[in-house]
Amino acid sequence: DTEVTQTPKHLVMGMTNKKSLKCEQHMGHRAMYWYKQKAKKPPELMFVYSYEKLSINESVPSRFSPECPNSSLLNLHLHALQPEDSALYLCASSQTPGRGQPQHFGDGTRLSIL
Amino acid sequence: DAKTTQPTSMDCAEGRAANLPCNHSTISGNEYVYWYRQIHSQGPQYIIHGLKNNETNEMASLIITEDRKSSTLILPHATLRDTAVYYCIVRVEGGATNKLIFGTGTLLAVQP
Repeated sequence: DTEVTQTPKHLVMGMTNKKSLKCEQHMGHRAMYWYKQKAKKPPELMFVYSYEKLSINESVPSRFSPECPNSSLLNLHLHALQPEDSALYLCASSQTPGRGQPQHFGDGTRLSIL
Repeated sequence: DAKTTQPTSMDCAEGRAANLPCNHSTISGNEYVYWYRQIHSQGPQYIIHGLKNNETNEMASLIITEDRKSSTLILPHATLRDTAVYYCIVRVEGGATNKLIFGTGTLLAVQP
């Protein structure tokens, strides 16, 4: 069991759909992250939130829209995705954004785009 | 952040020590070595990190060479549940952002 909870675990959507991925942590962490992981590849950073503000966007296409409504919750809104966006989407959190605190990961949402 | 080089895969017999090497020859003085692992169908899991001294916790030991150009992660008594991809990451501590850049990692297969 992880302390970072991601829902749903699996998601299948069409290219015209709008859906959202949700991530929740109750460890009091103030930094939260989204990563994308293609099959047999390492995770790649997408976004970093620091104290509920977006601090890093790794040139992610605008069809991915992150949101951090409060310190415990992180969303990733999806719209007009492409088949190549099919991947495992991982959320992580760490105690503080600036210091090298270990990141705690959820088990991800496996996304398939039809 | 410095780049790391790891073997693509390794085997280890159950109950024996697993020694996973990592080369980070371009590491600079303020960069730490972090190890994570990813068991199939799960998210990455933090294992251990260190700067220049050897470190040990309940999961593993980290041995860093004196010149800091390489390190070894040691799982003292490997079990089947330790089968995973192990990532060695070098990053700056206390930087503006806590950014992990994963390399390709080592797939450790623990054999019964």
